[in-house]
Amino acid sequence: GENVEQHPSTLSVQEGDSAVIKCTYSDSASNYFPWYKQELGKGPQLIIDIRSNVGEKKDQRIAVTLNKTAKHFSLHITETQPEDSAVYFCAAPVPPNAGNMLTFGGGTRLMVKP
Amino acid sequence: SQTIHQWPATLVQPVGSPLSLECTVEGTSNPNLYWYRQAAGRGLQLLFYSVGIGQISSEVPQNLSASRPQDRQFILSSKKLLLSDSGFYLCAWSVEGVRSYNSPLHFGNGTRLTVT
Repeated sequence: GENVEQHPSTLSVQEGDSAVIKCTYSDSASNYFPWYKQELGKGPQLIIDIRSNVGEKKDQRIAVTLNKTAKHFSLHITETQPEDSAVYFCAAPVPPNAGNMLTFGGGTRLMVKP
Repeated sequence: SQTIHQWPATLVQPVGSPLSLECTVEGTSNPNLYWYRQAAGRGLQLLFYSVGIGQISSEVPQNLSASRPQDRQFILSSKKLLLSDSGFYLCAWSVEGVRSYNSPLHFGNGTRLTVT
């Protein structure tokens, strides 16, 4: 099955700086990589995803890069703001079966200091 | 648009009592449905998933069970809660069937369960 490792587990940055979170995966057949943001007391919300036919995808201050050869993908947040503070999860799909299951990384607690 | 509802938002139950958490999805038909558990400060663990009414797959052996009595209703249950059942329970949905691979999960806002 798929194994997803996420680093770092905590990340503290100054407002305005950039933040980078990295994930590695084990199944070379995986080709879909979503990122979720979880605010305190809420469920995770999808913020961006990438499919393996592209190497990078950007949405305003958020970007995701994918290196299929090395089997890793990263989330980049530029010009961080206090409202970016949350726990971020990366994920990769379990090989196709009866359900669309995702394996999640262990999460990164991002703290943006004003 | 699709929405997912979970209730209750918080729950405090004594050890040995039963549990029933409910999740409903609106705005889509025949979704895949999932229950995840999140221990404090930890990642997401898949407990159950369902691809249709009455079809439940369990990912981990445990004290909990799931049922899907209607297309867009998913219920998490226990006959007797244990202390270790405390956690944050999340319901999620994705599009159905063969279209579901490479599509995102959409989570509800969760139920925080404390077993005392």
